[in-house]
Amino acid sequence: SYEVTQSPSVSVSPGQTATITCSGDKLGANYASWYQQKPGQSPVLVIYRDNKRPSGIPERFSGSNSGNTATLTISGTQAMDEADYYCQAWDSSTVVFGGGTKLTVL
Amino acid sequence: QVQLVESGGGVVQPGRSLRLSCAASGFSFSSYPMHWVRQAPGQGLEWVAVISYDGSSTYYADSVKGRFTISRDNSKNTLHLQINSLRTEDTAVYSCAREGLLERAFDMWGQGTRVTVSS
Repeated sequence: SYEVTQSPSVSVSPGQTATITCSGDKLGANYASWYQQKPGQSPVLVIYRDNKRPSGIPERFSGSNSGNTATLTISGTQAMDEADYYCQAWDSSTVVFGGGTKLTVL
Repeated sequence: QVQLVESGGGVVQPGRSLRLSCAASGFSFSSYPMHWVRQAPGQGLEWVAVISYDGSSTYYADSVKGRFTISRDNSKNTLHLQINSLRTEDTAVYSCAREGLLERAFDMWGQGTRVTVSS
């Protein structure tokens, strides 16, 4: 079955750019989405169809997807962005999530 | 109010069955594919199952195939997950999620219902 892989953790200083990656075979040929999950809360969609932002998501969140890697970029990272981030892709009609990346803002 | 509200979780012995429900409100439920996603304690998200907008198609994760059944009642705006032969590894928070028609991603999530499988 199809798998996508994320680094377990990323650290960034406030105001800097955070880059979170998701790797999978030919991932760029499928749409990737990204979710933010804070402790005790449900996930929130922050990027869909590789690089689209839902209404209400700040412009500092952006995404790209090419080759075997999808990337979530958070520019000017704020303390409120500290959370777990999950990539999600499709494998035909089924769904796969990455293992999640814990973003620490320090 | 646009929302998804799950129910039916609890503490269950291994081998028993459980039926989870997800009540949808505030949107045209019958227009959207719906999914179940679970999250074991301290772990990441795991996709469980999907059902098409009209219930004609269903797909499952390999880990639950044959034991879980997803269904929907569009007349009652309700999604269900029947879980049979429960295992300790099924312990998780189970959430329903709406698949956005444009987004092809999960644009709405419920708060989840907790299932604990323990003897």
